[in-house]
Amino acid sequence: SYVLTQPPSVSVAPGQTARITCGGNNIGSKSVHWYQQKPGQAPVLVVYDDSDRPSGIPERFSGSNSGNTATLTISRVEAGDEADYYCQVWDSSSDHHVVFGGGTKLTVL
Amino acid sequence: EVQLVESGGGLVQPGGSLRLSCAASGFTFSSYSMNWVRQAPGKGLEWVSYISSSSSTIYYADSVKGRFTISRDNAKNSLYLQMNSLRDEDTAVYYCARDVDYGSGTPDAVDYWGQGTLVTVSS
Repeated sequence: SYVLTQPPSVSVAPGQTARITCGGNNIGSKSVHWYQQKPGQAPVLVVYDDSDRPSGIPERFSGSNSGNTATLTISRVEAGDEADYYCQVWDSSSDHHVVFGGGTKLTVL
Repeated sequence: EVQLVESGGGLVQPGGSLRLSCAASGFTFSSYSMNWVRQAPGKGLEWVSYISSSSSTIYYADSVKGRFTISRDNAKNSLYLQMNSLRDEDTAVYYCARDVDYGSGTPDAVDYWGQGTLVTVSS
């Protein structure tokens, strides 16, 4: 089955840039979606199809995807960005599964 | 405004059954594929099942295949998850989640989530 690997945690100071990676075999050939989840809340879509942003999501959130790694980049990080972030893909191999990464806890120092 | 409201969660013994419902409003339900996604306490997100807008395409996670059944009633704007042979490891918050649905026939991103309903499997 297809596996997505995320670092458990990333820490960044306010105003700096946070980069959260999502590793998978040839993930560059898939569409990657990213979600933000704050404690006690449902997830929120922040990037879809590798690099598109839903309406209402700040331009500070961006995404890229190539080779074996997709990356969510959060520029000018704010305290309110502290949350868990998950990547997601559709595995169209024989498994036909939606796959989530294990999640990354973003801490704003 | 898009709203997804789950119901039907609760405490059930191992081996028991439960039926979750999701009431959708604020959009044309029959035009969108839907998903169930769960999250065990303190854990990450786990996809459970997908159903296309017409119910013609259905997928399940290996962990629930053969035990859970997803269905929908477009006339009632409702999504369901019938859960049988429940196990301790099925304990989680279950989210009803709308697929962006580009018409590809396969799952895309999830653009709206309900607030979830807690299922606890315990003796």
